[in-house]
Amino acid sequence: NAGVTQTPKFRVLKTGQSMTLLCAQDMNHEYMYWYRQDPGMGLRLIHYSVGEGTTAKGEVPDGYNVSRLKKQNFLLGLESAAPSQTSVYFCASSGPVRGANVLTFGAGSRLTVL
Amino acid sequence: DAKTTQPTSMDCAEGRAANLPCNHSTISGNEYVYWYRQIHSQGPQYIIHGLKNNETNEMASLIITEDRKSSTLILPHATLRDTAVYYCIVRVGYSGNTPLVFGKGTRLSVIA
Repeated sequence: NAGVTQTPKFRVLKTGQSMTLLCAQDMNHEYMYWYRQDPGMGLRLIHYSVGEGTTAKGEVPDGYNVSRLKKQNFLLGLESAAPSQTSVYFCASSGPVRGANVLTFGAGSRLTVL
Repeated sequence: DAKTTQPTSMDCAEGRAANLPCNHSTISGNEYVYWYRQIHSQGPQYIIHGLKNNETNEMASLIITEDRKSSTLILPHATLRDTAVYYCIVRVGYSGNTPLVFGKGTRLSVIA
């Protein structure tokens, strides 16, 4: 039982390049999320999904796109990377635990944009 | 959604109980109190949650005041591995369909 797996773990991009971060979960969770965390800061929600084929914007969605074609996968895309998108990206999925919404996080993907 | 207020940082001696407070004076009746922690650069880890009653699990205890306006996370015997940022979040339950929003949390330093 792997939980939430993120790939890649590290990536360096040049400004203007594109890339996709993959998040996979094996817990049959309906909800999935992408957060970013800048140095010394808290987590900020980028986009989230409440089920296969659905996505919604979070606090900081600009510059990112997402897709949830399969229930177990949630992809985060950067079409034209900018230095301001240098950050650690965390994916999470959630399921009900005694009525509450409990998140399980991945280990993170560290992205540097030069 | 109710906002939470936590101290920026706290210290605790190893082996002692760590008591982390959280104020959520505007909490509504259907909102849960969630606690997560993040150990240096790792993904956040779920600790415990509660609605009205006090809760205990293998990691910690959660004490919620009767009026639900504040709560305390208790780590009964803190170890150096408990050094982390602790997040208190107030949010509706699973059926409410709203994502958790993380603030800045409390940086707990456990000192030998």
